Amino acid sequence: EPEVTQTPSHQVTQMGQEVILRCVPISNHLYFYWYRQILGQKVEFLVSFYNNEISEKSEIFDDQFSVERPDGSNFTLKIRSTKLEDSAMYFCASNPGEDQPQHFGDGTRLSIL
Amino acid sequence: LAKTTQPISMDSYEGQEVNITCSHNNIATNDYITWYQQFPSQGPRFIIQGYKTKVTNEVASLFIPADRKSSTLSLPRVSLSDTAVYYCLVGDGSFQKLVFGTGTRLLVSP
Repeated sequence: EPEVTQTPSHQVTQMGQEVILRCVPISNHLYFYWYRQILGQKVEFLVSFYNNEISEKSEIFDDQFSVERPDGSNFTLKIRSTKLEDSAMYFCASNPGEDQPQHFGDGTRLSIL
Repeated sequence: LAKTTQPISMDSYEGQEVNITCSHNNIATNDYITWYQQFPSQGPRFIIQGYKTKVTNEVASLFIPADRKSSTLSLPRVSLSDTAVYYCLVGDGSFQKLVFGTGTRLLVSP
C-alpha cells in the first residue's frame, strides 16, 4: 500500500536555526497537509495546500513557517528561526480529494535545543 | 465545530469487544462522525466515518443513534496491537482540516 514518507525521522536543531522537514505524499494525491503534536498534547492542524498554494492555515502557522512543493513529489515545511516551543512531532498528510480520508506519515520528531 | 467528549482512557483484554462512546451534543445537520487511530510515534490513521445508523468495515463498526448526539466505535475481539489512542472527530465530512481532541487511550492487556 502506498505510504506518505517523511524525512528525517528525528531532527535536532539549535534554537534560532532554520529547519526543513520533508515529505513525499502519495503520488496521485492532490491535497497536502502539515500537523504538529507537542508531546502529550493534541494533534494540531497547521496548513493545507492545493494547486501550489495554501488553502487554509491555522493561527499557529505564522510568518515563521512556510510550505513548498518544489517538484512533483516533495512537500516541505520550513521553520525559520526555531524556538524551543517548536519542539514537537510534525506530521505530513495527503489525500486524493477533499472527500477522501487523509493518509498520514509517521512524522518527524523535531527537537530544538 | 461540534465539541466532542470521549473517555480519557479504557482498559480491555485480548479477545474482548471494545466500545468507545463519543458525545457530540451540538452536532450539526450536515456533520459526519469520523474516527482515527494513532499508535505511539505514528501518524493518525483513518478507521471509519458515518452519518447515521450503522457503518461497518473490516476494522470496526460505528453506531450512531437517531438523535446523532453520540456515537460508538466498536472494535470486535481486540488484540494487543489495538492498543492506541482513538479520536472521534465531528465535521462536515470533508477531509480537509482535521480537528483532533484528546482522544481515548485504549490499553489492551493479555
